Amino acid sequence: GAGVSQSPSNKVTEKGKDVELRCDPISGHTALYWYRQSLGQGLEFLIYFQGNSAPDKSGLPSDRFSAERTGGSVSTLTIQRTQQEDSAVYLCASSLVADRVEQYFGPGTRLTVT
Amino acid sequence: GESVGLHLPTLSVQEGDNSIINCAYSNSASDYFIWYKQESGKGPQFIIDIRSNMDKRQGQRVTVLLNKTVKHLSLQIAATQPGDSAVYFCAENRAEYGNKLVFGAGTILRVKS
Repeated sequence: GAGVSQSPSNKVTEKGKDVELRCDPISGHTALYWYRQSLGQGLEFLIYFQGNSAPDKSGLPSDRFSAERTGGSVSTLTIQRTQQEDSAVYLCASSLVADRVEQYFGPGTRLTVT
Repeated sequence: GESVGLHLPTLSVQEGDNSIINCAYSNSASDYFIWYKQESGKGPQFIIDIRSNMDKRQGQRVTVLLNKTVKHLSLQIAATQPGDSAVYFCAENRAEYGNKLVFGAGTILRVKS
């Protein structure tokens, strides 16, 4: 079956612009996670959804970052007034339920802020 | 603070040899530990996990060892192949936070033919 998909695969934007990144989890997966990976670094947790609610937003770096999930499926990560330090690969993962360890990752969206 | 880190940032091995990738963690309350493999341009791929009440778990060509006394985790890859070349991340899982994963910085594994 289809895995986690993310779009766009690459995004170049000017400093100060808003961007939206999309994640389509595996069908039937109720838990969805967003991570950020800077060049040569490990993954940094951003936010987690169980269904449409986000019980853990602790990783969002600032109030410029927000995310939503509708219909228990697709999620959108929005970054407002982008800064150069926002440049990174944004990865989405999903798992069948919240208590399952195995998370399936998408290919990521590479964001470059110029 | 809480962290998961790796001892060796780069590991080069000869094809056919065994590889050992090490990881240290600091949070003794973690429930699971997971190893992920990330190839260039792709998202991380789950390899194997181990519960905190286990010492060893084996998969296909891979073995994970957990030493809770010294808070050390290792991934052993038998008969390393060129396709094993990737960045390997260890991560700790905290069920209390909805299985949020805390990742280490990663180890680059290079397999020489």
